[in-house]
Amino acid sequence: TQLLEQSPQFLSIQEGENLTVYCNSSSVFSSLQWYRQEPGEGPVLLVTVVTGGEVKKLKRLTFQFGDARKDSSLHITAAQPGDTGLYLCAGPIFSGSARQLTFGSGTQLTVLP
Amino acid sequence: DADVTQTPRNRITKTGKRIMLECSQTKGHDRMYWYRQDPGLGLRLIYYSFDVKDINKGEISDGYSVSRQAQAKFSLSLESAIPNQTALYFCATSDYGSSYGYTFGSGTRLTVV
Repeated sequence: TQLLEQSPQFLSIQEGENLTVYCNSSSVFSSLQWYRQEPGEGPVLLVTVVTGGEVKKLKRLTFQFGDARKDSSLHITAAQPGDTGLYLCAGPIFSGSARQLTFGSGTQLTVLP
Repeated sequence: DADVTQTPRNRITKTGKRIMLECSQTKGHDRMYWYRQDPGLGLRLIYYSFDVKDINKGEISDGYSVSRQAQAKFSLSLESAIPNQTALYFCATSDYGSSYGYTFGSGTRLTVV
């Protein structure tokens, strides 16, 4: 059972459409991060959200952290083929005093030209 | 040069063979991690190290071992490879702090036949 559940698992849309993907948990997180992974590469950090209700924008990408800090969403406006990739959310968990990141299983986004 | 370099990029090995995956970083980070990625399961932590003298097991350490040869080098070994260890392996580094993200290498695709 994963702490972070992402939905949908797969999403295929046409260029120009808008979309939202979700990251949900029953646990409270001090922060959440979003990564994008392209084929043949490792994940790359897009954003970190740290305050409940926080909204961050990165060009056409809008990230929101839920008020209760249990969920986050990523909204893409006017999607482009270059947005294609695996979107992963991640949050810190503690094993003893050691902090590590736990990842969701990701949303595979395909934007068709 | 990449911040985190993994070698080899691809490897096919036979069941029962010992194999080592190597990771080096130029970020100057103390913390290094090895993750495994399988379709639909996201990234799962194998081992992590917070400094040269610190090695910790992650959630799926069975069948794996690691060595932290220097601050910049962290290698992962499969002592006797088995087919269900076929996966994409990622090394990552991070600095201390809850807001700091991970920097990933480009991964090693390992196939055990």
